[in-house]
Amino acid sequence: EVQLVEAGGGSVQPGGSLRLSCAASGFIFSSYWMYWVRQAPGKGLVWVSRINNDGSSTSYADSVKGRFTMSRDNAKNTLYLQMNSLRAEDTAVYYCARDRSYYYDSGSPEYWGQGTLVTVSS
Amino acid sequence: EIVLTQSPATLSLSPGKRATLSCRASQSVSIYLAWYQQKPGQAPRLLIYDASNRATGIPARFSGSGSGTDFTLTLSSLEPEDFAVYYCQQRSNWPWTFGQGTKVEIK
Repeated sequence: EVQLVEAGGGSVQPGGSLRLSCAASGFIFSSYWMYWVRQAPGKGLVWVSRINNDGSSTSYADSVKGRFTMSRDNAKNTLYLQMNSLRAEDTAVYYCARDRSYYYDSGSPEYWGQGTLVTVSS
Repeated sequence: EIVLTQSPATLSLSPGKRATLSCRASQSVSIYLAWYQQKPGQAPRLLIYDASNRATGIPARFSGSGSGTDFTLTLSSLEPEDFAVYYCQQRSNWPWTFGQGTKVEIK
C-alpha cells in the first residue's frame, strides 16, 4: 500500500524557517517524480514545487522561488521541503504527492499524504 | 501562468441527478487537464487525467471531456459520497495551476 506521511509542520514567526519531510513507503520511491502542493485555510490548491526521480531537477512556483528548496533522499525514501524567510501568506496545509506514472512527470499526482499545517504568525 | 476558471462556483443537486462541471483555460492546454475531488479535512483525490482518462479505481459515473480551453467533468448520477469540492488542474505549462473549485452540495 502506498503511504505518504508528512511531518515538520508547526507555528513559526515571519522570517523563520521550517523543514517539512514526507516519508514514503509501499512503492519504489526512486522511480517517481514527487510534488508539494499547499492549501491555505479555506482556500484552493496551489502547486509549490516538483522534483524528478533522482533529485537532479526541481521547479518552483514564483511565490516560493529563492525561499523554498525541495530535495529528496532516495536511500531514506524521504522527500523534503526546506522553507526559509517564511511569510504570513505561506500559512497553509502542505501536501506531498506522488506522480501516477513510473519515471515520468505526468503532472497528475495519484497519491497524496494527509498534509501538515504550517502557520506563520507573530 | 495559465488561469483556470471553474463554473459554477456552487452546484446544488439531489442524489441521483446529473452534475456537469466546467473548467475554462486562459490559453490552450491541449488535453493536459486533470480533475480532483476533495472532501473536508482530506487530501485531494485524482479522478480524471489527460482530460478523459479515469484514474485507478474511479467509478464509471465520473467522466471527463474537452480539449484546448474548454473542459467538462460529468457525474452521471450523484451518489451521497460525491458531494465535495472539485478542482481542475492543468499540466501543460509550469507552474501548473488549479481552478478555484466547484462545490457540489446536496439540495
